[in-house]
Amino acid sequence: QKEVEQDPGPLSVPEGAIVSLNCTYSNSAFQYFMWYRQYSRKGPELLMYTYSSGNKEDGRFTAQVDKSSKYISLFIRDSQPSDSATYLCAMSPPGFQKLVFGTGTRLLVSP
Amino acid sequence: DAGVIQSPRHEVTEMGQEVTLRCKPISGHNSLFWYRQTMMRGLELLIYFNNNVPIDDSGMPEDRFSAKMPNASFSTLKIQPSEPRDSAVYFCASSFIRTGGGNVLTFGAGSRLTVL
Repeated sequence: QKEVEQDPGPLSVPEGAIVSLNCTYSNSAFQYFMWYRQYSRKGPELLMYTYSSGNKEDGRFTAQVDKSSKYISLFIRDSQPSDSATYLCAMSPPGFQKLVFGTGTRLLVSP
Repeated sequence: DAGVIQSPRHEVTEMGQEVTLRCKPISGHNSLFWYRQTMMRGLELLIYFNNNVPIDDSGMPEDRFSAKMPNASFSTLKIQPSEPRDSAVYFCASSFIRTGGGNVLTFGAGSRLTVL
């Protein structure tokens, strides 16, 4: 079993839909959780960064961490065609420099 | 800041040739990471440096791969000899590591390597 599991998709939604992207993990020591967005032929860019449990909101994006279930989510409200990209979750224990990445979920938002 | 700068952006070479990928990290960052990305395996960490010193190279696939960081503003990843299975996108990322904190990476645009 992989340390971090992420559905590769693709996930296809119409413009304006609410999108839910998810990762599950097995290592209870993980405390730092990140979401990276990667456009085609580009490098991943940090989208959201959270520590421990709870929610964090930034504009149309909300990151949610449920440590009891070892489950993290990224919600995108009012999705736009420009949100079409691959979304990678990443996580680590405190003080660890090596991030564990999910394989990424490809999202397609159609106009 | 121009971000993490990688070169070349694209490299096509023949099996057996030497390949050198280059990276300039963000000024002030104290850690540098080399990743490889393929459809089959996703993002794989090859090696990382702290303050120019290699810390963990357990992800380097074999002796054909080597990496150096001669100073805080430059790193190379070398493959010699290259093989078709080395075809992938190679990313360099840098970060500023604080003791006990999380590690937020800034990635470069990647170097797309094709070995024929």
